[in-house]
Amino acid sequence: DAGVTQSPTHLIKTRGQQVTLRCSPISGHKSVSWYQQVLGQGPQFIFQYYEKEERGRGNFPDRFSARQFPNYSSELNVNALLLGDSALYLCASSRTGGINTEAFFGQGTRLTVV
Amino acid sequence: RKEVEQDPGPFNVPEGATVAFNCTYSNSASQSFFWYRQDCRKEPKLLMSVYSSGNEDGRFTAQLNRASQYISLLIRDSKLSDSATYLCVVNRNQGGKLIFGQGTELSVKP
Repeated sequence: DAGVTQSPTHLIKTRGQQVTLRCSPISGHKSVSWYQQVLGQGPQFIFQYYEKEERGRGNFPDRFSARQFPNYSSELNVNALLLGDSALYLCASSRTGGINTEAFFGQGTRLTVV
Repeated sequence: RKEVEQDPGPFNVPEGATVAFNCTYSNSASQSFFWYRQDCRKEPKLLMSVYSSGNEDGRFTAQLNRASQYISLLIRDSKLSDSATYLCVVNRNQGGKLIFGQGTELSVKP
């Protein structure tokens, strides 16, 4: 079975632009979460979706939005990019998203804003 | 103050050494606890869950002290392949929201 897949793997954008990152969870997993990891720090929670509904939102500005599709894949959108948005964006999938459910991470999308 | 704090790194140890990582969390509502491993420029991977009774997986032992809000990871007989960043993670009964520490880098030398 394929693991969590994210696309693209690398991306360079200019300040002010918009970006869409994509994630396909492991087959059978209904929960997708997004995290931002800046260099030297641990991942920070952005969103969680379960069964196409937003279940949680981290402390990120409204420029960040996400959605989950009927096939459980997900997109993360970031508008009006800032230099500080440069980071590794990680998608995690889990079967139910419950507190003891193991989360599996994709390889991430490395976003550079110039 | 960060919700999950870890020992500052990096830890540089020789092969065969025993190394211990410590982590504290500030929110007593935290419900579940994990150690993740992250290799350079790769995604985090679950190393082990941490239970109140303590748990062991081969050379790795994890302990949880709820009263002190303290989590530890002990690695015995370090291997070169253990070189990575170790992330302490808690979940506050808010579904899939994992809260990560900043990570502690381990470098095992021959």
